Amino acid sequence: DSGVTQTPKHLITATGQRVTLRCSPRSGDLSVYWYQQSLDQGLQFLIQYYNGEERAKGNILERFSAQQFPDLHSELNLSSLELGDSALYFCASSQRLAGGRDTQYFGPGTRLTVL
Amino acid sequence: ILNVEQSPQSLHVQEGDSTNFTCSFPSSNFYALHWYRWETAKSPEALFVMTLNGDEKKKGRISATLNTKEGYSYLYIKGSQPEDSATYLCAFMEYGGSQGNLIFGKGTKLSVKP
Repeated sequence: DSGVTQTPKHLITATGQRVTLRCSPRSGDLSVYWYQQSLDQGLQFLIQYYNGEERAKGNILERFSAQQFPDLHSELNLSSLELGDSALYFCASSQRLAGGRDTQYFGPGTRLTVL
Repeated sequence: ILNVEQSPQSLHVQEGDSTNFTCSFPSSNFYALHWYRWETAKSPEALFVMTLNGDEKKKGRISATLNTKEGYSYLYIKGSQPEDSATYLCAFMEYGGSQGNLIFGKGTKLSVKP
């Protein structure tokens, strides 16, 4: 158990809908990262937040947004969902801002299925 | 776009065999290289974070080496056990992080037969 929690574990929804994925980092970790794992793709970095502020962006679609709240939990919002958004979404956390040299601890993931 | 390649894609070994696999990454602007172990239905588990050329790290029967000048890292498993069966991921970060964060390879899937 990494100490990172994600809810829900599974989510099934229809095209065009909007969903929110939630992540609570390990106690004491200030950085939160979101990753997407699609079929046959490696883990793709989406976005990083540090202490409530957006710090780095990867290939995140405009239909996706995220935020980190004062209690450091984070939410990833996915809207106007398409079939291709079906994937495993991971949240990870680390202590510091510079996640590149910090161990990132991954949550169990949320499996999103868009029908 | 930066690319991280892992080989082989999959590997089947017998219990007790030692094995190794490769992660290749861009040799310029190196910042960090991570190794993760990912078991089916679980979350990726951090093994090593490597930052210096020539780094060697060890955790039990698993060890890793790093060559930043030529852009590769090796992961070794000595005396493989069935519980070592997992996908091993490496992830590279470029100095300045032009792509935001860690860039993951697609992994090497290891199966260890008893």
